[in-house]
Amino acid sequence: QKEVEQNSGPLSVPEGAIASLNCTYSDRVSQSFFWYRQYSGKSPELIMSIYSNGDKEDGRFTAQLNKASQYVSLLIRDSQPSDSATYLCAVKGTFGTGTKLQVIP
Amino acid sequence: DAGITQSPRHKVTETGTPVTLRCHQTENHRYMYWYRQDPGHGLRLIHYSYGVKDTDKGEVSDGYSVSRSKTEDFLLTLESATSSQTSVYFCAISESVEGPHGYTFGSGTRLTVV
Repeated sequence: QKEVEQNSGPLSVPEGAIASLNCTYSDRVSQSFFWYRQYSGKSPELIMSIYSNGDKEDGRFTAQLNKASQYVSLLIRDSQPSDSATYLCAVKGTFGTGTKLQVIP
Repeated sequence: DAGITQSPRHKVTETGTPVTLRCHQTENHRYMYWYRQDPGHGLRLIHYSYGVKDTDKGEVSDGYSVSRSKTEDFLLTLESATSSQTSVYFCAISESVEGPHGYTFGSGTRLTVV
């Protein structure tokens, strides 16, 4: 079982909707959790980090962490076509395989 | 934003030949990493370094070696390239293992072994 699990998608949402991306992990002692965005043919770039249970908001992005359930999520509000990319969940340096998001104009 | 650069960007090589990929950083970060990215597998850690001459193996280290003689440079060597090593290779850097800034990635090297 991979240590960080994500649904590969694609997840399709209409422009302006909320996109919800989910991730589960197996290492109970992990302290740091990240979301990266990767456009096709490009390298991953960090968009959110979260360490404490609860929500962390940054602009249109909200990361949610539930350590008891070993679950991390990323919400993208008011989704834009430019948000279309693959989103990678990472627990420290271990990455999930990513969820491809398509925002339909 | 050339805090981290990889070279070459693209390379085609023949099976059995040695190949060296270079990662250069200007951020003075202690930690450097080599990942490979393949469809269906995501990013997998090959080797990492936590200081000059300090390196350790990652999840998929067989067939790869690394060296770090200077803080700014981290080299990945495929001793004898095989077709299974055809992949996109990313170098990454970080200030700390669990810090809030995560990893910064280079632009990647697309390696094809024929």
